[in-house]
Amino acid sequence: RKEVEQDPGPFNVPEGATVAFNCTYSNSASQSFFWYRQDCRKEPKLLMSVYSSGNEDGRFTAQLNRASQYISLLIRDSKLSDSATYLCVVKRRGGSQGNLIFGKGTKLSVKP
Amino acid sequence: EPEVTQTPSHQVTQMGQEVILRCVPISNHLYFYWYRQILGQKVEFLVSFYNNEISEKSEIFDDQFSVERPDGSNFTLKIRSTKLEDSAMYFCASSARTDTDTQYFGPGTRLTVL
Repeated sequence: RKEVEQDPGPFNVPEGATVAFNCTYSNSASQSFFWYRQDCRKEPKLLMSVYSSGNEDGRFTAQLNRASQYISLLIRDSKLSDSATYLCVVKRRGGSQGNLIFGKGTKLSVKP
Repeated sequence: EPEVTQTPSHQVTQMGQEVILRCVPISNHLYFYWYRQILGQKVEFLVSFYNNEISEKSEIFDDQFSVERPDGSNFTLKIRSTKLEDSAMYFCASSARTDTDTQYFGPGTRLTVL
């Protein structure tokens, strides 16, 4: 089983739509959780961290369910500029310096 | 805003040649990382580096790979004898003081092995 799994998409939505991405992780020792955004052939950029209580940043809402080992990202009122690949990322607990484990990403395409 | 920089942006090399990819992490950061992304695949961790030594490495990071911080600003990844399957984007990242801090990624070096 892959350590971080995501629906690869693509999700093709019209401007203004609400879209939700899901992610599951297999390692219960995972400590920290993030959503990164990656534009084509560019570096991953942190979109937001994900907290157990759920958190919101403008049009973006992230939720974490540790019992189900499930992470979600909701994008409201989607914009053309939201078109990108969204990467679910976890970091393990432990003595290491904390490398990031990436999902393969979910591709979003927002159309006019 | 401080950022991680990487050079070159694109490196083309022949199989069996040595390449050195260069990174300048954010200046007050203490933790450094290399990741790679084969075209169409996920981003994969290679190695982390702290206090002038490797703190963790993945299975991918075999004897062909090495990292070095030759001076106070640069962080390099060397591949001794490149293989076709080393073709990928290589991303450098850095984080500030603890392993729980956000990792900031550089723009990447596209390595093409012919």
